[in-house]
Amino acid sequence: SAVISQKPSRDICQRGTSLTIQCQVDSQVTMMFWYRQQPGQSLTLIATANQGSEATYESGFVIDKFPISRPNLTFSTLTVSNMSPEDSSIYLCSVGGRAIEQYFGPGTRLTVT
Amino acid sequence: KNEVEQSPQNLTAQEGEFITINCSYSVGISALHWLQQHPGGGIVSLFMLSSGKKKHGRLIATINIQEKHSSLHITASHPRDSAVYICAAKETSGSRLTFGEGTQLTVNP
Repeated sequence: SAVISQKPSRDICQRGTSLTIQCQVDSQVTMMFWYRQQPGQSLTLIATANQGSEATYESGFVIDKFPISRPNLTFSTLTVSNMSPEDSSIYLCSVGGRAIEQYFGPGTRLTVT
Repeated sequence: KNEVEQSPQNLTAQEGEFITINCSYSVGISALHWLQQHPGGGIVSLFMLSSGKKKHGRLIATINIQEKHSSLHITASHPRDSAVYICAAKETSGSRLTFGEGTQLTVNP
């Protein structure tokens, strides 16, 4: 199993600012995923972060808006840049692979005012 | 049409009732996940299935690969089971998860 922690757990930010969310895993993992869950919606994959390479972004998400770092096999950050109220969501990091369980962090609840 | 569909969207039950949540998918999968999300937002993985049936405590998950259908059952439901239950299909082409819309379960005492 994998235990994932995220910081911060929640934040209220002003529009135009940026927030960096940290994700720490208690074991080394190859693939880490960042998801967004807008109010009342299901999860949407933002990007896949592999250590040692650029993150792979899904359609509708760009690196300038959501830069990701993956400096080692247990840690990743997601930055939400130049925030607007539409970015108010829960952001979750997750680890998993092709034939293994998927584990999720506790989420970061972001409110942009 | 969503690639992963759940029913019902909302479910209210009395404590002790047997509960079933259904999930149908149209993509080829390597595994089907059932997840539980509490109001705080955190998600817990309940099951990962590629065939047959799994049981953990009062929870049972089944999958029929031919029919592309999975069910999550909760026996002797309890108010603490109140949460959103999400099925997610892991596609055979990689590690991507496709999520259903979720089922909001409320169990009343």
